[in-house]
Amino acid sequence: DIVLTQSPGTLSLSPGERATLSCRASQSVNSNYLAWYQQKPGQAPRVLIYGASSRATGIPDRFSGSGSGTDFTLTISRLEPEDFAVYYCQQYGRSPTWTFGQGTKVEIK
Amino acid sequence: QVQLVQSGAEVKKPGASVKVSCKASGYTFTGHGISWVRQAPGQGLEWMGWVSPYNGNTNYAQKFQGRVTMTTDTSTSTAYLELRSLRSDDTAVYYCARVRGTWFDPWGQGTLVTVSS
Repeated sequence: DIVLTQSPGTLSLSPGERATLSCRASQSVNSNYLAWYQQKPGQAPRVLIYGASSRATGIPDRFSGSGSGTDFTLTISRLEPEDFAVYYCQQYGRSPTWTFGQGTKVEIK
Repeated sequence: QVQLVQSGAEVKKPGASVKVSCKASGYTFTGHGISWVRQAPGQGLEWMGWVSPYNGNTNYAQKFQGRVTMTTDTSTSTAYLELRSLRSDDTAVYYCARVRGTWFDPWGQGTLVTVSS
């Protein structure tokens, strides 16, 4: 099974700063099968990015995804107050199955 | 708009079973799979399994095989998750989510299941 490892575990930044979140897979992942989610306290997750780099409907363009193979990145170009949350990467496998990374918390510095 | 509305919180004793519902609206129910994901308190997301409303096919995460059943009722556009032989470490928020392509969108609001004696 593919394991997704996210780093760092916690990212302490100020509003306006750039956030770079990493998701590393234990083996190569089809880019079409890599998604990113945002979860705020007490809320369900929501999709931000699918297919490694496609923004979901209604997601601001300060969010971008990139990467291929085993290394994927979610970038928030300028943090807004509402962006402080936990972010998860997810990969899809045959059968079908899905796997999540353990999450990165973006907190206010 | 596309919406998934889940049933309310449950409190169960160890060894009991729980059945959580997820009612879909705003789209063709049989056109998309439903996945179930759980989140223990303060922990990350854990995928539990998938069910196809189109033909009833399922695929469960190995961890839950033998203890979980996922079904759908196309007449009411509702998906169900049943988890048996509950333990204290099954205490979690359980989410349903529509499978769109290879990602999940949207998610239900979550159902808290508490297992306690």
